[in-house]
Amino acid sequence: DGGITQSPKYLFRKEGQNVTLSCEQNLNHDAMYWYRQDPGQGLRLIYYSQIVNDFQKGDIAEGYSVSREKKESFPLTVTSAQKNPTAFYLCASSISWTGFVNTEAFFGQGTRLTVV
Amino acid sequence: DQQVKQNSPSLSVQEGRISILNCDYTNSMFDYFLWYKKYPAEGPTFLISISSIKDKNEDGRFTVFLNKSAKHLSLHIVPSQPGDSAVYFCAARHLYMRFGAGTRLTVKP
Repeated sequence: DGGITQSPKYLFRKEGQNVTLSCEQNLNHDAMYWYRQDPGQGLRLIYYSQIVNDFQKGDIAEGYSVSREKKESFPLTVTSAQKNPTAFYLCASSISWTGFVNTEAFFGQGTRLTVV
Repeated sequence: DQQVKQNSPSLSVQEGRISILNCDYTNSMFDYFLWYKKYPAEGPTFLISISSIKDKNEDGRFTVFLNKSAKHLSLHIVPSQPGDSAVYFCAARHLYMRFGAGTRLTVKP
């Protein structure tokens, strides 16, 4: 049963702490993405990866870091440098970097991060 | 810099009627447009797409129209059903996808 899995579903973090969000896919997709959703705003791209061991900054990369050591995994670390980390985070994957063309991206269920 | 805009945060229609969701964009480099549907506490799911070289794409009850000169995209749902109630995101691609803020559609029985 192929899909994309994000964990945890809910995450609480104290100010000043780093936290890592997990994203795993078994769709054999090359490309993976991290988006952030805030109330009243669209999904904004944080980082994307076209292939293993490669990733690029999106529109709002400051305060975040990623790694892509395995094709299946694209974890996102929210660092203490991120000023407003409370948000809903969505991970997505597509067949290839150009896989958005004629094919859709598959999204995970999301992780809601709250800073307390 | 919102390059994809959905100016209507919500839309309410009667079951059986047409739902029209609108989307405007500013970047002429966008070459592909998609609509996603999202239920609460779930990730968005793909609904329908259109290439920039076309002006219409139809899939069952869903039709997407593209007006490149006006930089306008619309999604028509006919007939609307209560199960269509969700948030709909418009997305456009140039290097990667950019999303609008979403429109919450409510279909009343």
